[in-house]
Amino acid sequence: DVKVTQSSRYLVKRTGEKVFLECVQDMDHENMFWYRQDPGLGLRLIYFSYDVKMKEKGDIPEGYSVSREKKERFSLILESASTNQTSMYLCASYGPGTYEQYFGPGTRLTVT
Amino acid sequence: SQKIEQNSEALNIQEGKTATLTCNYTNYSPAYLQWYRQDPGRGPVFLLLIRENEKEKRKERLKVTFDTTLKQSLFHITASQPADSATYLCALDEDSSASKIIFGSGTRLSIRP
Repeated sequence: DVKVTQSSRYLVKRTGEKVFLECVQDMDHENMFWYRQDPGLGLRLIYFSYDVKMKEKGDIPEGYSVSREKKERFSLILESASTNQTSMYLCASYGPGTYEQYFGPGTRLTVT
Repeated sequence: SQKIEQNSEALNIQEGKTATLTCNYTNYSPAYLQWYRQDPGRGPVFLLLIRENEKEKRKERLKVTFDTTLKQSLFHITASQPADSATYLCALDEDSSASKIIFGSGTRLSIRP
């Protein structure tokens, strides 16, 4: 079974802090994604990556950056956390020949 | 750009009945459409994928239809059970490259005993 893990289930940070969210998948998938999910807005794509060191902006990249130094790991960085970044963050991946995404359990981030 | 509408925010039905959820999209016809299940506080879980040249797909008690004329997909759960209570998301490719997908905001399904 594909496993996607995220570094934390719950995280509380202060405004202005730099925040790192880590995602690791164990199925050698090329494609990895970061979403945020907010009530009434659904899943919105922040960034995605098709390969190591490659990244593409999604629909809401402002205030975020990403890093993909190894194929299995995709990190989301909040350079200076703000209260409007309080959300559920979900990582996903999929492999070649399929479009079904495998999601991690999510990180609920609260910025105070 | 492509937009998705899942018509109902919430749907409540009696156990044993068939639940039918709707997903409508605008603009071009996607190459494929997917349905996911999400439980509270968890990540979505893939259920079914249907391609543009397929009219219907089944998996156990689940059935998905895809009508490119109506720009609509229907998701059915037959013989529904309280354990089927969850939020169901539809998703489809955002553009003709089929390189990334967008999600609807979901329909929260509640099955009462």
